[in-house]
Amino acid sequence: EAAVTQSPRNKVAVTGGKVTLSCNQTNNHNNMYWYRQDTGHGLRLIHYSYGAGSTEKGDIPDGYKASRPSQENFSLILELATPSQTSVYFCASGETGGTYEQYFGPGTRLTVL
Amino acid sequence: GDKVKQSPSALSLQEGTNSALRCNFSIAATTVQWFLQNPRGSLINLFYLVPGTKENGRLKSAFDSKESYSTLHIRDAQLEDSGTYFCAAESDSNYQLIWGSGTKLIIKP
Repeated sequence: EAAVTQSPRNKVAVTGGKVTLSCNQTNNHNNMYWYRQDTGHGLRLIHYSYGAGSTEKGDIPDGYKASRPSQENFSLILELATPSQTSVYFCASGETGGTYEQYFGPGTRLTVL
Repeated sequence: GDKVKQSPSALSLQEGTNSALRCNFSIAATTVQWFLQNPRGSLINLFYLVPGTKENGRLKSAFDSKESYSTLHIRDAQLEDSGTYFCAAESDSNYQLIWGSGTKLIIKP
């Protein structure tokens, strides 16, 4: 049974529209992360969270907001989507307290037209 | 330059052969994770390492923090081993993962 799920799995949006990507984890992990992966590259960190109510900027936060309303849920929000945000987005959860191993969801493919 | 550099960038092997993938770090890495991204795009955890070695079936990984590298050895490669292998490192100064750009592995029958 998948411990990190994402929705939607695929999304087509229009330029200037608002997009919300959702992530749910049942690992009871404090930390959650949003990454994007572009073709032929590794993952780049957008936002992360240490727990409910916390959001922190990662390496490439511009154009994205994040929300962590609960331990289980972490959302990534694109208020004004642009074609450059076309990518595959991965959510992950991770433990704290000495180990930072991360576990990933299946990814969301976002196309902004 | 790349803080986590993976080599080779791509590799093609015959089924049944062995291979070694490598990550070199220009940061003071404290832990390393290895992932396989399968052809469907899913990221699968392979290893989480502090300095030392781990083995799981046909896979074996080592992390040497003093020499700043990690390796992933695949023995008796199978078709289902195809995909892109990523390493990602954590350092004391930054608890976030820093990712390599991956090694694309193709196993041929």
